[in-house]
Amino acid sequence: SQKIEQNSEALNIQEGKTATLTCNYTNYSPAYLQWYRQDPGRGPVFLLLIRENEKEKRKERLKVTFDTTLKQSLFHITASQPADSATYLCALANSGGYQKVTFGTGTKLQVIP
Amino acid sequence: DTEVTQTPKHLVMGMTNKKSLKCEQHMGHRAMYWYKQKAKKPPELMFVYSYEKLSINESVPSRFSPECPNSSLLNLHLHALQPEDSALYLCASSQTSGSSYNEQFFGPGTRLTVL
Repeated sequence: SQKIEQNSEALNIQEGKTATLTCNYTNYSPAYLQWYRQDPGRGPVFLLLIRENEKEKRKERLKVTFDTTLKQSLFHITASQPADSATYLCALANSGGYQKVTFGTGTKLQVIP
Repeated sequence: DTEVTQTPKHLVMGMTNKKSLKCEQHMGHRAMYWYKQKAKKPPELMFVYSYEKLSINESVPSRFSPECPNSSLLNLHLHALQPEDSALYLCASSQTSGSSYNEQFFGPGTRLTVL
C-alpha cells in the first residue's frame, strides 16, 4: 500500500539556521508533490508544488527538491524564524483536475530564538 | 475572496444526534473536498465533489453523508456517530482546470466531539 513518511515527528532548530525536512514515499508514482504548513487548530496552507519532471523549486526562503529515483523530497527553510514554527506536511497527488491528495505524517518544526 | 469558511467551529454531539457541518467558498472552484484529521495525524480524504457530483468516496461509513447543493456549498450530515469519529473535519476547494495541478484551499475546520 502507499506510504508517505516524514523523517521525524519533531525538529528543533536555532533561529537563523536552515531547517531541512524529509519526505519519503513508497508504492507511489506521484505527478505532483506539495508542501503544506499547518498551525494548531487550523487548516493546512499550501506552500510549494514540484512536478515529477522538476528537480528543484524555490520561493523566497523555501526550497524543495524532488528525487523520483530515491522517492524522496527535501524541504528547506533558510534563515529560519520563530514564526516558521508549525507542522509541515508533504502531500502527493497523481493527477490534475480535481486531485486525490495523500498527506504525509507531518513534521512539527520548532524554531528556537 | 480566497477564503473557505466552515461552520460551526466546534460541535459536541451525542451518539443519537443528527447534525450537519457546512462549508462555503466563493472562489468559483468546482471541486470541493472533505477531510478528517485526528490529533497528531495527517488529514485523510473522505469525499471529493466535482461539479456538484460525488467523484470520490474513500469507503467512508454511511453515518457520514455528504451533500453539495450548489457550486459554493458543501455539507456533511452526521448521524449515529461513534466517539472515535471525534476529530477535526476540514473542508477544501480547488479549481478543476485540465491536467495541471490545482492548489487546494482549506477552511479552518470544525472540531467535532462525539460523547
